[in-house]
Amino acid sequence: EDKVVQSPLSLVVHEGDTVTLNCSYEVTNFRSLLWYKQEKKAPTFLFMLTSSGIEKKSGRLSSILDKKELFSILNITATQTGDSAVYLCAVEAGSNYQLIWGAGTKLIIKP
Amino acid sequence: EADIYQTPRYLVIGTGKKITLECSQTMGHDKMYWYQQDPGMELHLIHYSYGVNSTEKGDLSSESTVSRIRTEHFPLTLESARPSHTSQYLCASSEWGQGAQGGYTFGSGTRLTVV
Repeated sequence: EDKVVQSPLSLVVHEGDTVTLNCSYEVTNFRSLLWYKQEKKAPTFLFMLTSSGIEKKSGRLSSILDKKELFSILNITATQTGDSAVYLCAVEAGSNYQLIWGAGTKLIIKP
Repeated sequence: EADIYQTPRYLVIGTGKKITLECSQTMGHDKMYWYQQDPGMELHLIHYSYGVNSTEKGDLSSESTVSRIRTEHFPLTLESARPSHTSQYLCASSEWGQGAQGGYTFGSGTRLTVV
C-alpha cells in the first residue's frame, strides 16, 4: 500500500532557528514529490521535486529529494513567526498521477 | 484573476439534510478533486474528475456524489448528512497530462458541522 510518512509530527522552535522537516515514502511508480504549507485554510504550493539531488530554493525555504533512499527534506532557515503552519508532503504516483498525502508536520515558531 | 472558489465557507446543518458544496475554478483546469480533512490529519481523496462527464471515487468511502457538467464547476452533494460527515472539505484543481506540475490549486475549504 502506498504511504507517505512525515516527521516530526510537531515541532516548536524559536524565531531565528533553522528547522528540517522530513518526508519518507513508499509508492508504486513515483512521479513527483510536492511540499505544501497550510495555515488556516487551504494548502499553498511550495515545491515540486522530480529529480534526485537537485535542490529547489525559494527565499529561506529549500528542499531536496533522494530517490534512492525514498525521502525528501524541507529546510527553513532564519525562521519567522509567519512560518508557523502545517507543512504537508505529498507524493504523486501511479498511472493516474494520484497524490498520496502525509499527515503533516505542525511547526510553531515562538517569538 | 484565476482562482478556485468554494462556497459556503462554513455550514452547520441538521442530520438527514441534503447539502451541496460548491466548487468553481477559473483556470481552465481539466482535473478537479474533493478532499476531506479532519483537524491535524492528512487529506483524504473522496472524488476526482479528469474532465467534463468524468467522475471517479477516491480512496475514502463516502456517501457523497459529484458531477462535472462544466469544466469549471465540480459540486459535491451529501444526500443525507450525518454527524460523521463533520469535517473540512477542500476542493482542488490541476492541469491534465502534466501531473501536478505547478502543484494543485486549492480552494479555501468548507467547514461542515452536522448536528
